[in-house]
Amino acid sequence: KNQVEQSPQSLIILEGKNCTLQCNYTVSPFSNLRWYKQDTGRGPVSLTIMTFSENTKSNGRYTATLDADTKQSSLHITASQLSDSASYICVVSLGALNTGNQFYFGTGTSLTVIP
Amino acid sequence: DAGVIQSPRHEVTEMGQEVTLRCKPISGHNSLFWYRQTMMRGLELLIYFNNNVPIDDSGMPEDRFSAKMPNASFSTLKIQPSEPRDSAVYFCASSFGLNNEQFFGPGTRLTVL
Repeated sequence: KNQVEQSPQSLIILEGKNCTLQCNYTVSPFSNLRWYKQDTGRGPVSLTIMTFSENTKSNGRYTATLDADTKQSSLHITASQLSDSASYICVVSLGALNTGNQFYFGTGTSLTVIP
Repeated sequence: DAGVIQSPRHEVTEMGQEVTLRCKPISGHNSLFWYRQTMMRGLELLIYFNNNVPIDDSGMPEDRFSAKMPNASFSTLKIQPSEPRDSAVYFCASSFGLNNEQFFGPGTRLTVL
């Protein structure tokens, strides 16, 4: 069964600290993995997209890693800021030529950064 | 560019009424996605189009839901008849190609009484 699991479900950290969010998936065949940031009351914003051949990608203070062998990804946030408080969603795309793309969503990690 | 535009931003209706949500994708994008988000179920993909053609509607929950994309700059998601369990935030997103970055609209918050 194709699934995406994220951990932790929620996280509280002090401003300036680093943190790492996890995404494990069983989706196969894998096409790509996306991390989104969603502020309360807004639509998700794309942070990174990684294909099978990529094992790390950065977007400012956000760095995503991918281990396609173990089917794990992580999102590392460096020097957190209050504005990083949001929900972070992992989405894995299944790629199949005859059925097209299918998308599988994690339930998200809620991050709260406190001063 | 104004980004993805959705209307209305809020909709309150009574059970049994028809609801139509509208989306204008970013100019030049050829892929369009409709999502639904609730606290219980998280973010769900309902249907997506590529070059105005529906590619996968397996996420559409019931026949009460239908979506159209008559041209490259407009799409609708219709619920008829609406039910209280349809209450959610509905997002539209667009991208240039199915595998590229998707840009989300601000969403339509639907409440069915």
